[in-house]
Amino acid sequence: EAGVVQSPRYKIIEKKQPVAFWCNPISGHNTLYWYLQNLGQGPELLIRYENEEAVDDSQLPKDRFSAERLKGVDSTLKIQPAELGDSAVYLCASSLRLAGANEQFFGPGTRLTVL
Amino acid sequence: AQTVTQSQPEMSVQEAETVTLSCTYDTSESDYYLFWYKQPPSRQMILVIRQEAYKQQNATENRFSVNFQKAAKSFSLKISDSQLGDAAMYFCAYRSGNQGAQKLVFGQGTRLTINP
Repeated sequence: EAGVVQSPRYKIIEKKQPVAFWCNPISGHNTLYWYLQNLGQGPELLIRYENEEAVDDSQLPKDRFSAERLKGVDSTLKIQPAELGDSAVYLCASSLRLAGANEQFFGPGTRLTVL
Repeated sequence: AQTVTQSQPEMSVQEAETVTLSCTYDTSESDYYLFWYKQPPSRQMILVIRQEAYKQQNATENRFSVNFQKAAKSFSLKISDSQLGDAAMYFCAYRSGNQGAQKLVFGQGTRLTINP
């Protein structure tokens, strides 16, 4: 079974340019997460989806960040315009919402460099 | 809000020896889960071990075990018989038992080096 797929793995852009990241979760997982991981830090949640509904986006900087999960499967995270401080790794994770620990499975992430 | 603290930015151990990574957390909840994740240079987070707060017995997964001290809010990871492949960043994480709060709260990480 395929794991969480993310693309691209690396992205280098000039500041003020737009950028988009794509995530395909594990088949059947109804919960999808986007995390931001700054260099030398642990990941922090940006947004969580239950199916196609964003149920926790309190940490998403909505002035420049947006996300969608239109059919409740794959998801796109967009930044427009990018700033130097957005350089980081963007991780996607998915889980099957059940009672209990609900293990989150992570993708390999996209490393964004803003010049 | 819950917080997770890892006070050891870096640790090193000789191959085949045992190492313990520390983690403390702060919460007012009684129902929660704790995790240790491993992140190698490939960046993919891999679950190492998890502990349910309601369980008194410490979790064990092969060479990995935890020391869960609920009253002290401490959750350390012990790696026995360290192997070169154990070298990675290790993150301690907390998740509320509230089904409406699914996010993981991570510590700052500990970089583990294995010396051959």
